[in-house]
Amino acid sequence: AQTVTQSQPEMSVQEAETVTLSCTYDTSESDYYLFWYKQPPSRQMILVIRQEAYKQQNATENRFSVNFQKAAKSFSLKISDSQLGDAAMYFCAYRSARDDKIIFGKGTRLHILP
Amino acid sequence: NAGVTQTPKFQVLKTGQSMTLQCAQDMNHEYMSWYRQDPGMGLRLIHYSVGAGITDQGEVPNGYNVSRSTTEDFPLRLLSAAPSQTSVYFCASRSGHPPEQYFGPGTRLTVT
Repeated sequence: AQTVTQSQPEMSVQEAETVTLSCTYDTSESDYYLFWYKQPPSRQMILVIRQEAYKQQNATENRFSVNFQKAAKSFSLKISDSQLGDAAMYFCAYRSARDDKIIFGKGTRLHILP
Repeated sequence: NAGVTQTPKFQVLKTGQSMTLQCAQDMNHEYMSWYRQDPGMGLRLIHYSVGAGITDQGEVPNGYNVSRSTTEDFPLRLLSAAPSQTSVYFCASRSGHPPEQYFGPGTRLTVT
C-alpha cells in the first residue's frame, strides 16, 4: 500500500527567508501525481503545487518550488521569500494515475516569524 | 462558479442519530470524494465516485453511505452517528485533467 510520510510536525522560518518542507512516499507504481496542499486556519484546502511523476522537471509556482527525486521517492517543497500569509498546515499527497484515491501525509505546521 | 459547496458548516449530533452531509459542485467534474480529517492526521478517504451511478469505498468507509445520482451532487450519509465520527469532513471534486482535487470548505461534525 502507498504511504506518505512528513517527518517534520512543525517548522519555523523568519519572514523573507527560505524554508524546505520534506515529504517521502512509498509506491510500487511508476505513474502517479504528487501534490502539496496548504491549509490555513480557515481550514480551506488550497492546492500549492503539483508534480506529474513522468515529468523530470521540477514544478514551480511563483515562490513555491519542489525537489522531486523519483528514485529516492522524495518530494520536498521549498518556499522562498516567506511571507506571514504562508503560515499554515502543509500536506503532501500522492495519487496513483490508476484511481482516485489520494493518500495524505500527516502534515507540517509552518510558523512564520516576523 | 461557486466551486465545491458543503452544507452544513457545523453540526452537533447525539449518538445514534442519522444525518446527511451535502456536497455539490458546479464545475461538471466527473470525480468526487469525501474525506475526514482528525487532529494530528492528514485527510483520509471515506468514499469516492468516478461518475454518476458509480461509487467505491476508500480507506475508512464503515458507518458511512454515499450515492451519486447526478454529476453535481454527492451526499454523505451517517446512518447511526458515533462519537468516533466526530471530525471535519471535506468533499472534493476534479475533472480528468488537471489531476488535482478542489476541496469544499468542510463541515465540522461533533457527535456527543
